[in-house]
Amino acid sequence: DAKTTQPNSMESNEEEPVHLPCNHSTISGTDYIHWYRQLPSQGPEYVIHGLTSNVNNRMASLAIAEDRKSSTLILHRATLRDAAVYYCILRRETSGSRLTFGEGTQLTVNP
Amino acid sequence: DVKVTQSSRYLVKRTGEKVFLECVQDMDHENMFWYRQDPGLGLRLIYFSYDVKMKEKGDIPEGYSVSREKKERFSLILESASTNQTSMYLCASSPGQRRGYGQPQHFGDGTRLSIL
Repeated sequence: DAKTTQPNSMESNEEEPVHLPCNHSTISGTDYIHWYRQLPSQGPEYVIHGLTSNVNNRMASLAIAEDRKSSTLILHRATLRDAAVYYCILRRETSGSRLTFGEGTQLTVNP
Repeated sequence: DVKVTQSSRYLVKRTGEKVFLECVQDMDHENMFWYRQDPGLGLRLIYFSYDVKMKEKGDIPEGYSVSREKKERFSLILESASTNQTSMYLCASSPGQRRGYGQPQHFGDGTRLSIL
């Protein structure tokens, strides 16, 4: 599966927007971009996914670059509960349902 | 909401014991997964199953086996526990691909297993 690159850590202030970047320069045409997050002492939680177009849901927005070599997860107003490790994952259709997790980005939200 | 329930949050066992970790999901999902999570190594896939009685090796299957006798239940078995299997174990489930690509995985809260 293609590899993703994320910053190890980021900080944000409460009630401000957060933009979490992910680079995936070797992405193929059949790779979906998935985002999960993991809060302390919990299992990972699905956030959002997309293929080519930008996506919005109640948790976040996903902005995908036109060449698909990078994407950004946007939390519109960070809360203290958003402090977590965020994982950007590429999932190829041919790999079935497998997910390969990297190290993710540790997001700290300051009050 | 999907619920994935793991039988124990914390478990302590001794070297050489046979250990069973149980996972149950309530959404009629075809796919089920077992991962382990270790500091600095992230989540690694041990085994997965895409149907009853079907199983596939993940990236680190050595020392483990699995059982899926019913659709809702997926068991991870440590045949002879060793100290290097001390870890956080996470179970997940997802719909099968016939329901469309890109289906998310839903995770349980994990079992922190210590082997002494």
